Amino acid sequence: DAGVTQSPTHLIKTRGQQVTLRCSPKSGHDTVSWYQQALGQGPQFIFQYYEEEERQRGNFPDRFSGHQFPNYSSELNVNALLLGDSALYLCASSLGLASYNEQFFGPGTRLTVL
Amino acid sequence: GDSVTQMEGPVTLSEEAFLTINCTYTATGYPSLFWYVQYPGEGLQLLLKATKADDKGSNKGFEATYRKETTSFHLEKGSVQVSDSAVYFCALRSNAGGTSYGKLTFGQGTILTVHP
Repeated sequence: DAGVTQSPTHLIKTRGQQVTLRCSPKSGHDTVSWYQQALGQGPQFIFQYYEEEERQRGNFPDRFSGHQFPNYSSELNVNALLLGDSALYLCASSLGLASYNEQFFGPGTRLTVL
Repeated sequence: GDSVTQMEGPVTLSEEAFLTINCTYTATGYPSLFWYVQYPGEGLQLLLKATKADDKGSNKGFEATYRKETTSFHLEKGSVQVSDSAVYFCALRSNAGGTSYGKLTFGQGTILTVHP
């Protein structure tokens, strides 16, 4: 049973560019959440997708957008990259939205903006 | 809004020492509480959880008790090993509904280093 997978593993971009990160949830899971983890910090919630809709959003600008596909996989898009967007981007999947359901995390995508 | 505060780190211990990492939270309603562990170069792994007051989560010798009266969820282990060296994150997930529902709110993390 494959866990949460993310691609690519690492990515280097320059300021102003756009990036797309991808996530496949754990088998049987239908909810995907995205987090940004800056170096030395805890993860910060970006947004959550369920039934192909954005259900919740954290304090991130509109440059951060996402999508969920019918197979429950998800993409995170960041436009007009800033140096401050350099971070580890984590995807987590769960079954439904209940607060007690465990979120399983992927290994992350390390984004470096130069 | 929801918030989680962890003890200042890093923490350095000798093998077989007792471990406590303090965690306090602020949230509306009755959140679920979690401890996650992150090994170098890896994503987060759930270590243990508790979903209601006075619940004790436990796993791999680690324990934490959900204390609503003190809004705390301190992580403890009686005898640490070198392999426990990692970053530990306390987190909560609100069930109050509205905009906080569903997301995990994390503390800043505590780096644990265990020496032989």
